[in-house]
Amino acid sequence: QQQVKQSPQSLIVQKGGISIINCAYENTAFDYFPWYQQFPGKGPALLIAIRPDVSEKKEGRFTISFNKSAKQFSLHIMDSQPGDSATYFCAASRDDKIIFGKGTRLHILP
Amino acid sequence: EPEVTQTPSHQVTQMGQEVILRCVPISNHLYFYWYRQILGQKVEFLVSFYNNEISEKSEIFDDQFSVERPDGSNFTLKIRSTKLEDSAMYFCASSEVRTSLGYGYTFGSGTRLTVV
Repeated sequence: QQQVKQSPQSLIVQKGGISIINCAYENTAFDYFPWYQQFPGKGPALLIAIRPDVSEKKEGRFTISFNKSAKQFSLHIMDSQPGDSATYFCAASRDDKIIFGKGTRLHILP
Repeated sequence: EPEVTQTPSHQVTQMGQEVILRCVPISNHLYFYWYRQILGQKVEFLVSFYNNEISEKSEIFDDQFSVERPDGSNFTLKIRSTKLEDSAMYFCASSEVRTSLGYGYTFGSGTRLTVV
């Protein structure tokens, strides 16, 4: 019930394309769904986040789509750039604890 | 931009030895956390700390682990008797308010612990 399932494990996208990463959760008590971006040798950095009463949130090229009834959410990266190459973690949180997905290693081809 | 600072960046220790990982959270933050990431795997919650006490801990955080905020600026994670399986990247994080209010943590760059 505490799990967050993330797919795909790795993703290769051409420059300018759309990168899509999907996540699913089980525990309906989660009330905050952040996405983190991690570059090698660095800690995760908050990219964008959404609360379950909102179906979509957009910040620049990054969009979260949230389907509360299906308990699924996804990250879309529009016009993907080589600098977006990183590992992306979806997560779910309640109170102080964040449960992370297993991560998606994204590679954008130049 | 304010940062969470972790030292050392890499620590090698012998099995059975005690290690202390140090963190300096962002100065006006009130909530502190330790997470770990075994190589190539997901980031796992260890413990959260608020108002000088543990607010939540995971099943990973057993009696071998302890946390302390000794002087109002540092936040430490101690592993009393390290095991090989403790080898991982340990991340400290801090936040100004509880994450459920819509703010994420700020993570440090991590300490890579290698137990040999």
